[in-house]
Amino acid sequence: GAVVSQHPSWVICKSGTSVKIECRSLDFQATTMFWYRQFPKQSLMLMATSNEGSKATYEQGVEKDKFLINHASLTLSTLTVTSAHPEDSSFYICSARDWRGGTDTQYFGPGTRLTVL
Amino acid sequence: DQQVKQNSPSLSVQEGRISILNCDYTNSMFDYFLWYKKYPAEGPTFLISISSIKDKNEDGRFTVFLNKSAKHLSLHIVPSQPGDSAVYFCAASVGGSARQLTFGSGTQLTVLP
Repeated sequence: GAVVSQHPSWVICKSGTSVKIECRSLDFQATTMFWYRQFPKQSLMLMATSNEGSKATYEQGVEKDKFLINHASLTLSTLTVTSAHPEDSSFYICSARDWRGGTDTQYFGPGTRLTVL
Repeated sequence: DQQVKQNSPSLSVQEGRISILNCDYTNSMFDYFLWYKKYPAEGPTFLISISSIKDKNEDGRFTVFLNKSAKHLSLHIVPSQPGDSAVYFCAASVGGSARQLTFGSGTQLTVLP
């Protein structure tokens, strides 16, 4: 399967600061990447779809000014949590869509644990 | 409104036996389904997928069955191994592709040695 990395794997920040999370597809080019959020013992909730070279598409209820997404290349998408607050603490996971070889799927990164103090 | 439901939050199975994980969906527009396995503090790992034009797809120890009339799919793992212990998510999408996945709530599988 394809490999997707995320950095950092965990981050602790003070309330009011901004945090950037990187998502990279290591062995394939991904025109589409996705950002999810997972609360403890809950499912993955899609936050936004990141398209290379164009604006991200946000799901209903997700503030685009708070969660800035940039997909500047075919292998990198970034999520910036601006002016983070404790309620933004969560597990953020990215994925990249891969349809090589006839199977269309999303491959996920290992996730980033964000804790806002 | 949960469009993809995994009604069993947990399942325990003896090593070597079959594990059957179930998933129901309500949106009749869903036509592509995927199963993922997830360990704590890690991202989901893709296991197997199935298109609505099929009713079965097999890959090694993993087989997914799709019953469109019942809006139900299941993942069979045979034989189950202790390393299979994880949370299993089913996901569904529209348009026959892996865009816009809607995930179920997950089932914790524990395989007992």
